[in-house]
Amino acid sequence: DTGVSQNPRHKITKRGQNVTFRCDPISEHNRLYWYRQTLGQGPEFLTYFQNEAQLEKSRLLSDRFSAERPKGSFSTLEIQRTEQGDSAMYLCASSLSSGGGNFQFFGPGTRLTVL
Amino acid sequence: AQSVTQLDSQVPVFEEAPVELRCNYSSSVSVYLFWYVQYPNQGLQLLLKYLSGSTLVESINGFEAEFNKSQTSFHLRKPSVHISDTAEYFCAVTRNKAAGNKLTFGGGTRVLVKP
Repeated sequence: DTGVSQNPRHKITKRGQNVTFRCDPISEHNRLYWYRQTLGQGPEFLTYFQNEAQLEKSRLLSDRFSAERPKGSFSTLEIQRTEQGDSAMYLCASSLSSGGGNFQFFGPGTRLTVL
Repeated sequence: AQSVTQLDSQVPVFEEAPVELRCNYSSSVSVYLFWYVQYPNQGLQLLLKYLSGSTLVESINGFEAEFNKSQTSFHLRKPSVHISDTAEYFCAVTRNKAAGNKLTFGGGTRVLVKP
């Protein structure tokens, strides 16, 4: 089963440290999305890529956040100078750009805890 | 912009009883609608979707949802739940003509099926 994979699954870090997460989408999917889910809430959109181009960023994505998808395959999400408010589950999803609905397939997420 | 409201944050239900999870959305444009399910310690899985056509959509495991345009609702129902249906359920929308098709999620409804 070659679904969306994310690494690491869990990350504990101290405030002020930098962290990087990786997402490997389904291989033929050209769109890749990042969402953040805090406890008791639904996921919130952060950003998305079509191939290697980052086409939209949410206002939630502060300057401390950067995402890349250098070759249009895997993506990384980096958070610099982490804050306790960054503690959340970071979800990655991928989809095809063609076809109605563009339904997204989600990975298992990376749970970040900032101490 | 779209928004999604899931009116119940938690729904306890006995095994083999029916369940209804309510979802209302607001949008100034036409939307696609989705229900995702998140089992404990797992990622989001697409349960069912409404793109166009028949307003009643069904999943393979007995759930159904009905799109009601006049009431801007997309409630999820199952006539008889099983213990394995214990999970969190998220309603989501995306604009059907928009590039990117980012999802806007509701806050989720946690279903606890009791024996």
